[in-house]
Amino acid sequence: DQQVKQNSPSLSVQEGRISILNCDYTNSMFDYFLWYKKYPAEGPTFLISISSIKDKNEDGRFTVFLNKSAKHLSLHIVPSQPGDSAVYFCAASAPNAGKSTFGDGTTLTVKP
Amino acid sequence: DVKVTQSSRYLVKRTGEKVFLECVQDMDHENMFWYRQDPGLGLRLIYFSYDVKMKEKGDIPEGYSVSREKKERFSLILESASTNQTSMYLCASSTAGTGDEKLFFGSGTQLSVL
Repeated sequence: DQQVKQNSPSLSVQEGRISILNCDYTNSMFDYFLWYKKYPAEGPTFLISISSIKDKNEDGRFTVFLNKSAKHLSLHIVPSQPGDSAVYFCAASAPNAGKSTFGDGTTLTVKP
Repeated sequence: DVKVTQSSRYLVKRTGEKVFLECVQDMDHENMFWYRQDPGLGLRLIYFSYDVKMKEKGDIPEGYSVSREKKERFSLILESASTNQTSMYLCASSTAGTGDEKLFFGSGTQLSVL
């Protein structure tokens, strides 16, 4: 049973436009959500996170939205840049679990 | 900056060999993790550790073991490598008890088992 799902394996957008990456979860105990970015041949790096007590968190061009009732979160990148082309992983953790559960990732391609 | 160092970027081993993957972190993090990444399967947790000499099974521990003799070092051991263990292995660390589960990853080890 996959608890964190990223249903779109890939996404292609034009430079300057908005990129929206989606993530769904099934475990209602998850209370902290994170997005990581991964370039080829490198480890993932933390991008942005959100606690379940919030519905939005913004950091520069990156905004994460959380809809708890729908068990859905999304990452918005505005404006998208070619350097944003990478695999994006959604992750979630439950209180005191000490570990994160990851989705399968979405490969974002931003075309110049 | 936190640094997580994995000893090898690429490894090629034979079926049946015993394989050691080493990971060292320099930020005094309590928690350390081993994940594997496979196309279409995301990151799957193999083992993790909250403290020295402590270990917990992740989602896919079969065929693997771990060792944490020192706080900064977490080793993944493939007792008898098999071809289905060909994968990208990622080590990560994090602080404990902050409620912020942000992970810091190493660059990964691409293991090929022939």
